[in-house]
Amino acid sequence: EAGVVQSPRYKIIEKKQPVAFWCNPISGHNTLYWYLQNLGQGPELLIRYENEEAVDDSQLPKDRFSAERLKGVDSTLKIQPAELGDSAVYLCASSLGAPTRDTQYFGPGTRLTVL
Amino acid sequence: AQSVTQLDSQVPVFEEAPVELRCNYSSSVSVYLFWYVQYPNQGLQLLLKYLSGSTLVKGINGFEAEFNKSQTSFHLRKPSVHISDTAEYFCAVGSFQGAQKLVFGQGTRLTINP
Repeated sequence: EAGVVQSPRYKIIEKKQPVAFWCNPISGHNTLYWYLQNLGQGPELLIRYENEEAVDDSQLPKDRFSAERLKGVDSTLKIQPAELGDSAVYLCASSLGAPTRDTQYFGPGTRLTVL
Repeated sequence: AQSVTQLDSQVPVFEEAPVELRCNYSSSVSVYLFWYVQYPNQGLQLLLKYLSGSTLVKGINGFEAEFNKSQTSFHLRKPSVHISDTAEYFCAVGSFQGAQKLVFGQGTRLTINP
């Protein structure tokens, strides 16, 4: 069974440029998460989807970040415009359901470098 | 709200030696507890989790952890480590009450020396 797929794996952009990350979760997983992982830190939740509904986006900086999950499967996270402080790894994860009980399966992440 | 403290940012050990990675949590409600491992340039992978029942939880790759409610701890142990165990380990806490999300610790880098 395929795991969580993310692309691109690496992205280098100039500040003020837009960037987008794509995630394909494990088939049948209704819950999808985007996490931010800064160097030397644990992941921090940005947004959680239940099917196509964003049920927790309280930690998403909405002035520059946006996300969508069309048809309740794939998801895209966008930053526009990017800032130097956005350099980090962006992780996508999915689970069958309950976010605090069910195992979350993580993709390999997208490492973003903003110059 | 829950929080997690991993008491050691780095743990160096020799191959075949035992290891303990420490995790303490804070919560006003009942918790679920997890240990995840992250190998270089990879996503996180579940090692083990405590939901309820027996306080001693066995996971993959020979790891185990013990839930201690009185000490609010969930320390990870392995009796004999291998070079392949070199990775970053994250403790996480969640609950069926309150905010429906996992809170991760800052991680412990385990380095195995030959």
